[in-house]
Amino acid sequence: DQQVKQNSPSLSVQEGRISILNCDYTNSMFDYFLWYKKYPAEGPTFLISISSIKDKNEDGRFTVFLNKSAKHLSLHIVPSQPGDSAVYFCAASAEYGNKLVFGAGTILRVKS
Amino acid sequence: DGGITQSPKYLFRKEGQNVTLSCEQNLNHDAMYWYRQDPGQGLRLIYYSQIVNDFQKGDIAEGYSVSREKKESFPLTVTSAQKNPTAFYLCASSIEAAESPLHFGNGTRLTVT
Repeated sequence: DQQVKQNSPSLSVQEGRISILNCDYTNSMFDYFLWYKKYPAEGPTFLISISSIKDKNEDGRFTVFLNKSAKHLSLHIVPSQPGDSAVYFCAASAEYGNKLVFGAGTILRVKS
Repeated sequence: DGGITQSPKYLFRKEGQNVTLSCEQNLNHDAMYWYRQDPGQGLRLIYYSQIVNDFQKGDIAEGYSVSREKKESFPLTVTSAQKNPTAFYLCASSIEAAESPLHFGNGTRLTVT
């Protein structure tokens, strides 16, 4: 039973354009959401997070949007750069202690 | 430089042997975690520990064991009872507070033949 789903295994975007990565969840108890970026043979690095009391959080080129009624969040990267090419994981947490549930990831390729 | 160190980066073992993966952190984090990544799947939680000398099973704990004798260290043993041990193993830590992101090590790739 996948509680966090990233339905697009991969996404290809031209340099300078917007990248939009999507994530859906099923557990209504999730109240904290994160995006991680991962390069091959390395650990994920934290990108940006959002609490369920907000619907948007912005950090430089990265913006995360949360739609609680639709149980959907998205990560926008503007403008996309070749160095953004990586696997992006969506994760969610429902309890104090920060046990995260991860999606399967989306491979982003930014073409120059 | 604070961080999480996992060693070794690559590990090869014969089927039937137990193997221990090392994880050390100098971030002074209370909580530590072990995740496993398989191709096409998200990270799955094996074990976690919120305090020294205490740990809880995650979603896929069968065939694994851990210890937490020191705050800085959280080794994972992959036992011969684990049916599919070949995977990429990731250790993480966080401060013990709500909405604190996990910080990950660079992982250990375990191959069992």
